[in-house]
Amino acid sequence: GESVGLHLPTLSVQEGDNSIINCAYSNSASDYFIWYKQESGKGPQFIIDIRSNMDKRQGQRVTVLLNKTVKHLSLQIAATQPGDSAVYFCAENKHGQNFVFGPGTRLSVLP
Amino acid sequence: DTAVSQTPKYLVTQMGNDKSIKCEQNLGHDTMYWYKQDSKKFLKIMFSYNNKELIINETVPNRFSPKSPDKAHLNLHINSLELGDSAVYFCASSQRQGNSPLHFGNGTRLTVT
Repeated sequence: GESVGLHLPTLSVQEGDNSIINCAYSNSASDYFIWYKQESGKGPQFIIDIRSNMDKRQGQRVTVLLNKTVKHLSLQIAATQPGDSAVYFCAENKHGQNFVFGPGTRLSVLP
Repeated sequence: DTAVSQTPKYLVTQMGNDKSIKCEQNLGHDTMYWYKQDSKKFLKIMFSYNNKELIINETVPNRFSPKSPDKAHLNLHINSLELGDSAVYFCASSQRQGNSPLHFGNGTRLTVT
């Protein structure tokens, strides 16, 4: 399930299930979006990106969906593994300006 | 082989001190950045810099100053450290500003006592 409060939102999923992490971005003019994964003690690591001329993009076990109408971005992880446990960030960019990061979601994979 | 490396990984210091964090990238990227991550994991841009232009987030106190001896290095110097400066600071680089992914270092955890 998902919990939101004073702490970082957390999504808990069973190992082997699919995960969906959501992000509401702020600027309707943003045209480039990236998902990052941050493991404990490390910097954010690039997962997948998508530009505004696309609605969907697939990588290895990951899919990003972009809904510009409602300014929503999602990251789907297939067959979630323990190594997927991390904090996930979406980042948006408008016309080559600096990226703005979302608040992050902690993904916890249960055995 | 580390693409973006920053030192030190941990920095503990007292209020009022001046400290520096070093960053180097071996990716040949044109633009480098400093981000601050607070205790709630929120990532906020502090500076972006290429060989032509320094862009400063207006909310960053002028006690923070980036120094770039060359294209591959962007160091962060902090004067008169305050308790509220405690955070994790990330260096990053990108091939082009805003139009290509950021590559992050592994962060420097700064603790001001």
